[in-house]
Amino acid sequence: ETGVTQSPTHLIKTRGQQVTLRCSSQSGHNTVSWYQQALGQGPQFIFQYYREEENGRGNFPPRFSGLQFPNYSSELNVNALELDDSALYLCASSSLLAGGSTDTQYFGPGTRLTVL
Amino acid sequence: GENVEQHPSTLSVQEGDSAVIKCTYSDSASNYFPWYKQELGKRPQLIIDIRSNVGEKKDQRIAVTLNKTAKHFSLHITETQPEDSAVYFCAASYRMNTGFQKLVFGTGTRLLVSP
Repeated sequence: ETGVTQSPTHLIKTRGQQVTLRCSSQSGHNTVSWYQQALGQGPQFIFQYYREEENGRGNFPPRFSGLQFPNYSSELNVNALELDDSALYLCASSSLLAGGSTDTQYFGPGTRLTVL
Repeated sequence: GENVEQHPSTLSVQEGDSAVIKCTYSDSASNYFPWYKQELGKRPQLIIDIRSNVGEKKDQRIAVTLNKTAKHFSLHITETQPEDSAVYFCAASYRMNTGFQKLVFGTGTRLLVSP
């Protein structure tokens, strides 16, 4: 098992609410990437944080936002929840290599979000 | 565009047979290609990865091959066992306009190994 942890494990929200998901990265890692995995699909890249700054974003609207803290842990916030936001949210921690290349990414167990 | 195609979507084999899963990517600048195994209700776990400076990498029963010219890479599992049953995802690195890389994942292959 990796040293990446996520909380909570499961979450049920109603449409229009806001949610915060948390991720603790593996010791020695300085980069956190967030992914959305819909049922039966591959993980879709949401955004990536390095040294407390977002350094890249996928095709997700601004109501998906994040933070990274000095200890490299991270949060994913989603505002104005929609039914289609129901998915498994995964974070992955890694180190950044020279030139901005990604090193091996290790996933947390995920947070299963259900929007009713 | 940024794309990783993965085939087949499902693969059924008998225990002891070999299994091959193939992926293609669209950006010739991609240089990192990991494979993840995801069991039902679990996190994706890295099983093997390869960088573009090598053409093949092997770890016991698992091997990955990379053809940079054709922009495709494959996962090979030999002597399959029932515990190999899972969904397998390939991924390729893509450079974002910020200069940093991200991973783009394939759609997954459900492998079923029958005893």
